[in-house]
Amino acid sequence: SQQGEEDPQALSIQEGENATMNCSYKTSINNLQWYRQNSGRGLVHLILIRSNEREKHSGRLRVTLDTSKKSSSLLITASRAADTASYFCATDSLYGQNFVFGPGTRLSVLP
Amino acid sequence: GAVVSQHPSWVICKSGTSVKIECRSLDFQATTMFWYRQFPKQSLMLMATSNEGSKATYEQGVEKDKFLINHASLTLSTLTVTSAHPEDSSFYICSARDFMAGAYNQPQHFGDGTRLSIL
Repeated sequence: SQQGEEDPQALSIQEGENATMNCSYKTSINNLQWYRQNSGRGLVHLILIRSNEREKHSGRLRVTLDTSKKSSSLLITASRAADTASYFCATDSLYGQNFVFGPGTRLSVLP
Repeated sequence: GAVVSQHPSWVICKSGTSVKIECRSLDFQATTMFWYRQFPKQSLMLMATSNEGSKATYEQGVEKDKFLINHASLTLSTLTVTSAHPEDSSFYICSARDFMAGAYNQPQHFGDGTRLSIL
């Protein structure tokens, strides 16, 4: 069963704008991770947020986690055309289950 | 950072052929590696968890006789798609965790994937 559910499924913005993607999950987690995938490539780890953290930053990325709502958001500020990719959240369950990936958000940043 | 190498990146072969895909952790030891399958514009579906020195754990619905997994060393896992047919065409991705860095709160490190096309 799918744990993480991203929304929107697809997002198209202009270069320089901010992009926000959301992820919801169902069970208790150790941490939540965001990954990026360029077309036809493997996944690149972006950021990990632990269950006791509420917000984390890395460069132009900002991730929030609300464990009461079982949701997370990924904000990419000042987007660039090179940010065009699919973004996935994945949850690391408390109960030893393996990573479960959401369906992903396909982000298109137009120059 | 941790690097996972997956080979080959692209395979085209005839129906009935068996295809082996290798996944190597280059600068860390991976007691556990994961194999995923991904269809176009879809998310990753976990196929199996590969444990060094023991049998792989397959997810429900994945045929273990069809997708043979071997994890003979701490740095290498292989996935063999046996007697491949067109419906096995897909993008296969492996990943590994560096458990020496701690069992939890560690990211997975992914290979670049293998695009398998069965004619």
